[in-house]
Amino acid sequence: GAGVSQTPSNKVTEKGKYVELRCDPISGHTALYWYRQSLGQGPEFLIYFQGTGAADDSGLPNDRFFAVRPEGSVSTLKIQRTERGDSAVYLCASSSAGRSTDTQYFGPGTRLTVL
Amino acid sequence: AQRVTQPEKLLSVFKGAPVELKCNYSYSGSPELFWYVQYSRQRLQLLLRHISRESIKGFTADLNKGETSFHLKKPFAQEEDSAMYYCALHTGGFKTIFGAGTRLFVKA
Repeated sequence: GAGVSQTPSNKVTEKGKYVELRCDPISGHTALYWYRQSLGQGPEFLIYFQGTGAADDSGLPNDRFFAVRPEGSVSTLKIQRTERGDSAVYLCASSSAGRSTDTQYFGPGTRLTVL
Repeated sequence: AQRVTQPEKLLSVFKGAPVELKCNYSYSGSPELFWYVQYSRQRLQLLLRHISRESIKGFTADLNKGETSFHLKKPFAQEEDSAMYYCALHTGGFKTIFGAGTRLFVKA
């Protein structure tokens, strides 16, 4: 079946604007992760969902960042009042159950550029 | 503090030469370590995990708790191994901590 998909693939916005990034996990995967990858760095954990609930949101940098997964499938990462420092590739991953032994499958990422 | 360090940003070797990508970690609990790979224009994907003690595409990695290392090794590098490699630490919760990555370039 299809892998993890993310839309849009690229997003350019102006400082201060609001953006939404979407992730479609692999069908049936209950665990969903968001990461942020800045240039020259590895992915940085943002938030983890098990089903509809955010089991761990300790990686969200501040209250401008918020993520939802209302039906336990598609997730949206929302960034308010964007800043130039938010520019990065935002990665989504899903796994079948969220156990540490489960393989995380990554999406292609959304490249966010804040001008 | 929980941290993963990959000291080399770039590693260049000749085809057929041995390769070792270094990874050191800092974690007070019992670590679960992984290597991820990203080939050009492809997605990040899992290469191997220490608990499986497996060899994938000729790569192996041994967890050395005394030295807090999880180096990735391959005896004979191939051109198709050229990629970005990330070492990752899974903590007791749901968080995975990645290193900054090492770009491996295998020259013909």
